[in-house]
Amino acid sequence: DAGVIQSPRHEVTEMGQEVTLRCKPISGHDYLFWYRQTMMRGLELLIYFNNNVPIDDSGMPEDRFSAKMPNASFSTLKIQPSEPRDSAVYFCASSLEEGIEAFFGQGTRLTVV
Amino acid sequence: AQSVAQPEDQVNVAEGNPLTVKCTYSVSGNPYLFWYVQYPNRGLQFLLKYITGDNLVKGSYGFEAEFNKSQTSFHLKKPSALVSDSALYFCAVRDISGNTGKLIFGQGTTLQVKP
Repeated sequence: DAGVIQSPRHEVTEMGQEVTLRCKPISGHDYLFWYRQTMMRGLELLIYFNNNVPIDDSGMPEDRFSAKMPNASFSTLKIQPSEPRDSAVYFCASSLEEGIEAFFGQGTRLTVV
Repeated sequence: AQSVAQPEDQVNVAEGNPLTVKCTYSVSGNPYLFWYVQYPNRGLQFLLKYITGDNLVKGSYGFEAEFNKSQTSFHLKKPSALVSDSALYFCAVRDISGNTGKLIFGQGTTLQVKP
């Protein structure tokens, strides 16, 4: 398996624009996580899914953020409208079961100017 | 509430010396504990985990960690540090009792190994 695949790797956008980050988890994994990493706040869990169903979205910072998982092989994280403070590295991770380690994608570095 | 604390922002050690990166956790039930490493401009890589059994867990690259239930700690250790071990290390916990699968990370500790 190619691992968790995220796209794009880098995204530069203007404030107010819509941004969509994409993730393909490892095939067969039941859990999918979205994290945001910044120098100030470290690695924050935004939302996670189990069997395509959102379980906990308490980490989503505002209504401008939304995440979907329409099927077991694809998830999106959308920011609309984007703001400069959304600039961060966004990671997607997946795992098979609770006791199994999560595997991370390479991340998407988002810059909002 | 589920949480993880890494009390040190940075740990500095000389090459060849033992290293310890500290982690404490808080969960309502029984924890699954993990250590990850992140190299610059890369994603997180799994190092080791504690699920059950022996309190001393061995992982990748010569790292090990000791689970201490009474102290709610899961410190990462290595007998002899290498310069190439310099990276950002994260401790993480999943609370299995709630059957939620939520995976929470600490703030991370930068390990600097000097020649």
